[in-house]
Amino acid sequence: DADVTQTPRNRITKTGKRIMLECSQTKGHDRMYWYRQDPGLGLRLIYYSFDVKDINKGEISDGYSVSRQAQAKFSLSLESAIPNQTALYFCATRGRGGSYNEQFFGPGTRLTVL
Amino acid sequence: GQQLNQSPQSMFIQEGEDVSMNCTSSSIFNTWLWYKQDPGEGPVLLIALYKAGELTSNGRLTAQFGITRKDSFLNISASIPSDVGIYFCAGQPPYNTDKLIFGTGTRLQVFP
Repeated sequence: DADVTQTPRNRITKTGKRIMLECSQTKGHDRMYWYRQDPGLGLRLIYYSFDVKDINKGEISDGYSVSRQAQAKFSLSLESAIPNQTALYFCATRGRGGSYNEQFFGPGTRLTVL
Repeated sequence: GQQLNQSPQSMFIQEGEDVSMNCTSSSIFNTWLWYKQDPGEGPVLLIALYKAGELTSNGRLTAQFGITRKDSFLNISASIPSDVGIYFCAGQPPYNTDKLIFGTGTRLQVFP
């Protein structure tokens, strides 16, 4: 089984709809991240969390919100989706100690906003 | 914010050839990571570099952490068709050890 899972894998929605993307991990990591990937722009950080009580904005947090329901779960919400939020979204996790700086990615969610 | 310049943007090579790509920054990084992304999948870590000057190999892949801490390169020797994908560099800035800054990626195509 995959260590980092994302649901759904694909989603098509309409402008103005509320969307939630979910991420779960079995790696036991405390740090979780949400990224957005657009062609030619690499990965950009939306939000990240150190634990259930700690949420931090990344470089492109406007229009997004997150919830850390448990150490293993981190969800990303688009309260009112707009077409320029069409992108690939990735969740990632990172632990402490050992390979301290390495982030491990989920398989991604392809979101299309019409 | 801190940015990474990754080059080349894309490469089209023949099977068996060697490949080289690099990332540069105007600012220093504490860590360099190299990831590969296959179509429809998330990035997978290939190599992690933690010290300036460090040279690390993983099979046919070799990466180096530049001595100035502002650059890194990845080499792939004797390319094979399964090397196809997008390769990303990522750096950890000294001002925030919990963040990674990603390059824009190098798309590699390998022809038989």
